[in-house]
Amino acid sequence: AQSVAQPEDQVNVAEGNPLTVKCTYSVSGNPYLFWYVQYPNRGLQFLLKYITGDNLVKGSYGFEAEFNKSQTSFHLKKPSALVSDSALYFCAVRAAPSGNTPLVFGKGTRLSVIA
Amino acid sequence: DGGITQSPKYLFRKEGQNVTLSCEQNLNHDAMYWYRQDPGQGLRLIYYSQIVNDFQKGDIAEGYSVSREKKESFPLTVTSAQKNPTAFYLCASRDQGNEQYFGPGTRLTVT
Repeated sequence: AQSVAQPEDQVNVAEGNPLTVKCTYSVSGNPYLFWYVQYPNRGLQFLLKYITGDNLVKGSYGFEAEFNKSQTSFHLKKPSALVSDSALYFCAVRAAPSGNTPLVFGKGTRLSVIA
Repeated sequence: DGGITQSPKYLFRKEGQNVTLSCEQNLNHDAMYWYRQDPGQGLRLIYYSQIVNDFQKGDIAEGYSVSREKKESFPLTVTSAQKNPTAFYLCASRDQGNEQYFGPGTRLTVT
């Protein structure tokens, strides 16, 4: 069975400081990993994904994530947070290869960037 | 949210009534998904369809039904058997690159 853990319900960071949103996963075999962002009353927007290759993945809006196989982690990072980054962030996983099986999502982490 | 439309954005129903949520995509994707979102619980999978005329139950299918008669459309019916139907419902489709694209969501309130 696949699962994702986002250990922090809420992360607070000051504007301009680096931010990290944590994600660990459990999957049989190799993982496909994703980060999505959700603004209030909106659908999820894709940020970045790891399928294969370089462990450091760069995505939209200056976000990046590092795949760490030994720690089964895929933490989301940004060097300098903006107030506009405040939103709900979801990590998701799927075993690879897996046809059209659905992504399994974490419970989400609410990021609050304070000016 | 481009390429996937969900209507309506807000929906109100009385308890005991069935209600159908619309999901349409113009991305030519084979796979489509329905998720339910509740505060603090993340996204939970209701049903998914990998191809036209085929669908599978997700983790919380009880009280819901779907159909997939056309590639573009994957409507979700919330039946009166669903005990706690008030939630935010998200539809998604998936491309060949494994990325899921989400619609804007429908917020259903049942009183």
